Amino acid sequence: DAKTTQPTSMDCAEGRAANLPCNHSTISGNEYVYWYRQIHSQGPQYIIHGLKNNETNEMASLIITEDRKSSTLILPHATLRDTAVYYCIVLPFSSGSARQLTFGSGTQLTVLP
Amino acid sequence: NAGVTQTPKFQVLKTGQSMTLQCAQDMNHEYMSWYRQDPGMGLRLIHYSVGAGITDQGEVPNGYNVSRSTTEDFPLRLLSAAPSQTSVYFCASSYVGQGKNEQFFGPGTRLTVL
Repeated sequence: DAKTTQPTSMDCAEGRAANLPCNHSTISGNEYVYWYRQIHSQGPQYIIHGLKNNETNEMASLIITEDRKSSTLILPHATLRDTAVYYCIVLPFSSGSARQLTFGSGTQLTVLP
Repeated sequence: NAGVTQTPKFQVLKTGQSMTLQCAQDMNHEYMSWYRQDPGMGLRLIHYSVGAGITDQGEVPNGYNVSRSTTEDFPLRLLSAAPSQTSVYFCASSYVGQGKNEQFFGPGTRLTVL
């Protein structure tokens, strides 16, 4: 599986957009980009995933560069409850079997009042 | 739906004791897994299962056993607890199928081994 690189920490003002980058320069053509987050002391929570097109859901947007070597998770209006560790994970397209998640260190996002 | 539930929430063991961490899900997910998370670290996979009667090892399986007799339950057994097993344990579940890899995590069990 491709490895990912994320900044250790980021701050964001409440109400502003939080843009979390992820580098995955060794990603293969059949690998998706997944984002999870972990709020302190809780289990991780799925946010969004994508292959090559930009994706949006009720939680966030995912922007993947044309060469697919990097992506950005966007929380459009960050709130204090978005303070968490955000994990970018690259996984092959499932073909009948689920894949095990490999969690790196992630990015600690702190939303400031 | 209750989602993924784990019991107990907290547990303190003495070295050498055994215990079972319980995990249950009511979403009819085929895939279930156990992770451990040490302080300041990411999650590491212990064991996983792709369906009843099928289990396999993850990254850090030593000292743990699992079984999957039903779709709903996936207990994790510590055979002889050691201080190195002090950690937070998370259970997760998901569907098995193309593109469906959204995993749902339980609230965790915080284990201390003295």
